Amino acid sequence: SYVLTQPPSVSVAPGQTARITCGGDSIGTYSVHWYHQRPGQAPVVVVYDDSDRPSGIPERFSGSNSGHTATLTISSVEAGDEGDYYCHIWYSRRDHPVFGGGTSLTVL
Amino acid sequence: EVQLVESGGGLVKPGGSLRLSCVGSGFTFSSYSFNWVRQAPGKGLEWVSSISSSSRYKYYADSVKGRFTISRDNAKNSVYLQMDSLTAEDTSIYYCARSRQEGIPVTMRWFDPWGQGTRVTVSS
Repeated sequence: SYVLTQPPSVSVAPGQTARITCGGDSIGTYSVHWYHQRPGQAPVVVVYDDSDRPSGIPERFSGSNSGHTATLTISSVEAGDEGDYYCHIWYSRRDHPVFGGGTSLTVL
Repeated sequence: EVQLVESGGGLVKPGGSLRLSCVGSGFTFSSYSFNWVRQAPGKGLEWVSSISSSSRYKYYADSVKGRFTISRDNAKNSVYLQMDSLTAEDTSIYYCARSRQEGIPVTMRWFDPWGQGTRVTVSS
């Protein structure tokens, strides 16, 4: 089956830039979506189709996807950005979605 | 406001059954696909099942295939997950999430929005 690999944790100081990676075999051929989950809450999409932002999501959130790595970039990190981030694709070979294991973002 | 509300969770003994429901409002329910995703305590997201807008396509994770059944009633703006032969490994918060679909067989796009989740605990 297809595996998406994320670092378990990322730490960044307020105002700095956080980069969260999502690795997978030829992931660049898939559309990657990113979700933010705060403790006790449901996930919320922050980037879809590699680099598009839903309405209401700040421009500080951006995404890229090429080769074997997709990246979620959060610039000017704020305390409210803390939580878990998950990447997600639709794995067309098996007709099912795949989620990464999640990355816990800590704002120092 | 676009909203999904799950219900039906609870405490059930191993081998038992539960039926989860998800009601959508604020959008044209019949135009979308729906997905169930679960999250065990302290763990990440695990996809469970998906259903296309017309119910023609239904997909299941290997871990639940043969035990869980997804269905929908567009007249009631509802999607369901019938869960049978439950084990302790099924203990999770179960989220319902909406998605658009494309192609044949369908590809589910990003999940948005998600419901608040319903908790399922399987324990004797």
